[in-house]
Amino acid sequence: GENVGLHLPTLSVQEGDNSIINCAYSNSASDYFIWYKQESGKGPQFIIDIRSNMDKRQGQRVTVLLNKTVKHLSLQIAATQPGDSAVYFCAETFSGGYQKVTFGIGTKLQVIP
Amino acid sequence: NAGVTQTPKFRVLKTGQSMTLLCAQDMNHEYMYWYRQDPGMGLRLIHYSVGEGTTAKGEVPDGYNVSRLKKQNFLLGLESAAPSQTSVYFCASSFQTSWGHNEQFFGPGTRLTVL
Repeated sequence: GENVGLHLPTLSVQEGDNSIINCAYSNSASDYFIWYKQESGKGPQFIIDIRSNMDKRQGQRVTVLLNKTVKHLSLQIAATQPGDSAVYFCAETFSGGYQKVTFGIGTKLQVIP
Repeated sequence: NAGVTQTPKFRVLKTGQSMTLLCAQDMNHEYMYWYRQDPGMGLRLIHYSVGEGTTAKGEVPDGYNVSRLKKQNFLLGLESAAPSQTSVYFCASSFQTSWGHNEQFFGPGTRLTVL
C-alpha cells in the first residue's frame, strides 16, 4: 500500500529510459529468486523469477540478472512507462515443499513523464 | 477466476477488540499464507498452511491465530488487538512450479488500524 513507500530508496527515471533496480540477498544457499511489483494500494504481483543455476532470464521488457559471487540481483526494465511506477522488491527461497521466503524491503520506482 | 480475495479491505479497531480476516482462493492451491507489511520492512510471515486442516507458525505469530477448515479459505484472527498490530495484511496462496518452487499469488490486502 502507499505507506510501504515512505522509507524506501527511490529511483526516478524518465519515461522511455531503461531502469535498473538492485537487490542484495542474504543467503548464499538460496536457489530461487523472484521479483515482485507492488502498486500503491495493491498486493505484490509476480514479475519474473530465476534459478541459481542461471545468470540471466528475460521476460517481456524485463530482465533479471543474478550474480551469485556477490549475492546480487538486478531487475532491468526496458523503455520504462508510467505504468511501471511502483515498489519493486526481490525475494529469495529454496526448492522443495514449503520453504521460507525472505522478502527485501523494496525500491520505489518513479517514472517521470 | 477471482484469484485471492481478502475481506475486509479496511478496518479500525480499538485496543483489546478482536476480529477475523478472511482469505479465499479459487485456484485450488494447497499452500496459503498470511503476511504483514510495515513501512521500511519486507513482508513478514505470520502463519502458513500446507493443506486443509494444517497450520504452522511463521516469523511473527504472537497475537495471531489461524484456521484452515476448508482448502479455499484461510482465516487470521486477532484475539486482543494491540497498536503494534496496525499494519497491512496480505494473504497469499501458492502452487509448486515445474522447478519445484512455490509461486505465490497475493490478495489485495487489508489495512488494519488499532487505536
